[in-house]
Amino acid sequence: DVKVTQSSRYLVKRTGEKVFLECVQDMDHENMFWYRQDPGLGLRLIYFSYDVKMKEKGDIPEGYSVSREKKERFSLILESASTNQTSMYLCASSPVLPTLGNEQFFGPGTRLTVL
Amino acid sequence: GENVEQHPSTLSVQEGDSAVIKCTYSDSASNYFPWYKQELGKRPQLIIDIRSNVGEKKDQRIAVTLNKTAKHFSLHITETQPEDSAVYFCAASPTGGGNKLTFGTGTQLKVEL
Repeated sequence: DVKVTQSSRYLVKRTGEKVFLECVQDMDHENMFWYRQDPGLGLRLIYFSYDVKMKEKGDIPEGYSVSREKKERFSLILESASTNQTSMYLCASSPVLPTLGNEQFFGPGTRLTVL
Repeated sequence: GENVEQHPSTLSVQEGDSAVIKCTYSDSASNYFPWYKQELGKRPQLIIDIRSNVGEKKDQRIAVTLNKTAKHFSLHITETQPEDSAVYFCAASPTGGGNKLTFGTGTQLKVEL
């Protein structure tokens, strides 16, 4: 069973704080993704990574950065949290080879509130 | 980049009826189209997917159809049951293989007794 875990289910931070969201997967997947989920907007890709130390911007990267120092771990960083970053954040992972399947496996999500 | 539109945003059906959710995509290079189901308070999970070399795929009560020419694909659920109540997301990927997905905005399906 693929397991994708996220460091917190709920997080409350103050405006201007630096926030770290951690994601760990145990299936040796090359691909990892960070999405935010907002009502009526679906899942929007923030950043993704195909390999260690590799990152690419998604559709809404502004105000975020990422770090992938180890294959199993992908971190999302809010350098200076703002109220408009209050959202549900979902991490996902998938293998890179089509023969291993295309499914993205999601973590349970982190509900972040910025006050 | 890819843009995926999904309709309707909410759908209410009686138990036993069929439900259809439609999506359109903009990038003709997209060739992989998954559907995810997200139950309340839970993570999205893949329920069915289709590649562009196939026009239709079925798995028990769910089916997906793809019209490449028109750039649209649909999810069909027959004999709906209360446990089908969830938010459904369509997505499109230009290369498949776990590469990045562009999701639709979601459809809240409610199956009423």
